[in-house]
Amino acid sequence: GIQVEQSPPDLILQEGANSTLRCNFSDSVNNLQWFHQNPWGQLINLFYIPSGTKQNGRLSATTVATERYSLLYISSSQTTDSGVYFCAGRGGTSYGKLTFGQGTILTVHP
Amino acid sequence: GAVVSQHPSRVICKSGTSVKIECRSLDFQATTMFWYRQFPKQSLMLMATSNEGSKATYEQGVEKDKFLINHASLTLSTLTVTSAHPEDSSFYICSASPGSSIDEQFFGPGTRLTVL
Repeated sequence: GIQVEQSPPDLILQEGANSTLRCNFSDSVNNLQWFHQNPWGQLINLFYIPSGTKQNGRLSATTVATERYSLLYISSSQTTDSGVYFCAGRGGTSYGKLTFGQGTILTVHP
Repeated sequence: GAVVSQHPSRVICKSGTSVKIECRSLDFQATTMFWYRQFPKQSLMLMATSNEGSKATYEQGVEKDKFLINHASLTLSTLTVTSAHPEDSSFYICSASPGSSIDEQFFGPGTRLTVL
C-alpha cells in the first residue's frame, strides 16, 4: 500500500497567524482527504481533494497529484482550529481503503 | 454531508467479556464500511473492510476470530470484540461512503473501549 507522510508533526501558532500543513504520498492516489479530529475524537471532513484546489472559508487545500503531495492552508487561525489534522490517501488498487498520515498537532494560542 | 453513527460511544467491560459496536449510515446506503483502530496520540489504522452480504476482509495482523464483523444490511455493520483483554482497549472508528468505495468517506464519532 501507499505511505503517507505529514509535516510538521507539531505546530504552535498565535491567533491570527497563517499556516501550511503538508502531506506527501509514496504513490499516485485517487482519493485524498483532509480531516480535523476534534477533542472528542470525531473526524470532521475538511476536503475531498484528489487533485486541484478547493477553498472553504479560512481553509483551502491544493493537491498536486503528479508530484504526490497535498497542502492544507489555514489562514487567520483561531483557537478553535486547535486539534489534530490528518490527511489520508487511497492508492489505485486499494478498493476504498484509506491510509492515514501520522497527523499534525496544531495548537493556536490566544 | 453524509452521517455515520456509532453505538455505544463509550464502553467499559471486564476482561474476558465480548463487546459489540454498531456502525450505521443514517442517510445513505453503504455496501462497504471500514473499521479503524486508534491508540492514544497515534494515527488511525485500518482493521478490516466490511462487505454487505459477504465476509469481511481483514488487514494483515488483525485476528479475525478476535474481531468479528457482520454487515447485515446496507446501513449497519457491527464489530464484536470477543474475549476482550486490556490490550484491546482502544478507540474504534467506522467509516462509509455514500457513493462508490472510491468516493469521499465519512466517519462515525468513534467508540472508546476500556477493558479492565
